[in-house]
Amino acid sequence: AQSVTQPDIHITVSEGASLELRCNYSYGATPYLFWYVQSPGQGLQLLLKYFSGDTLVQGIKGFEAEFKRSQSSFNLRKPSVHWSDAAEYFCAVGAKGSGNTGKLIFGQGTTLQVKP
Amino acid sequence: DAGVTQSPTHLIKTRGQQVTLRCSPKSGHDTVSWYQQALGQGPQFIFQYYEEEERQRGNFPDRFSGHQFPNYSSELNVNALLLGDSALYLCASTSGSYNSPLHFGNGTRLTVT
Repeated sequence: AQSVTQPDIHITVSEGASLELRCNYSYGATPYLFWYVQSPGQGLQLLLKYFSGDTLVQGIKGFEAEFKRSQSSFNLRKPSVHWSDAAEYFCAVGAKGSGNTGKLIFGQGTTLQVKP
Repeated sequence: DAGVTQSPTHLIKTRGQQVTLRCSPKSGHDTVSWYQQALGQGPQFIFQYYEEEERQRGNFPDRFSGHQFPNYSSELNVNALLLGDSALYLCASTSGSYNSPLHFGNGTRLTVT
């Protein structure tokens, strides 16, 4: 079955510290992978996406993610966290052409808290 | 450039009633998807509309139905509301181009009492 697992439900980091959010997926075909961020009361904003090519992808707000096929992972990283990064982060997987189908499978989300 | 807009932002309904949620896609987008996000969960795909037809559907009962209009806007209808239908309903649009990412609205918070 297709699924996305985000092992960490809640993470707290100090402002300025580095961040890594984990994402593991189970998918029958070559997956297309996404990270979205959701602030309270808001919709989802796309941080970055992986379709093919370079396995290290850069996104907005200084985030990057690395696709590791052997580990079925797509972890999100940021070298220095800002207080404004506090939010809910979702990893999602879709089929090739998922833009046409619009069907993404989301993980349960990781809540990021940033300490001053 | 307006993004995806949804209305209303909040809604309270009673069990057994029917509800209609509305979505206008981002300018230039012609494909609309709907997601349900229960509290503390990730969004779950309901269905997608393209050229005024339902193109793909997730694992939701027939009580959930939709419509797309010629101007690409869309409605989500839910009949015979259950308490478990309480959730944030998200609309997402895309241009329909191959692998075009989804752009999400801020959602409609539905509470069923």
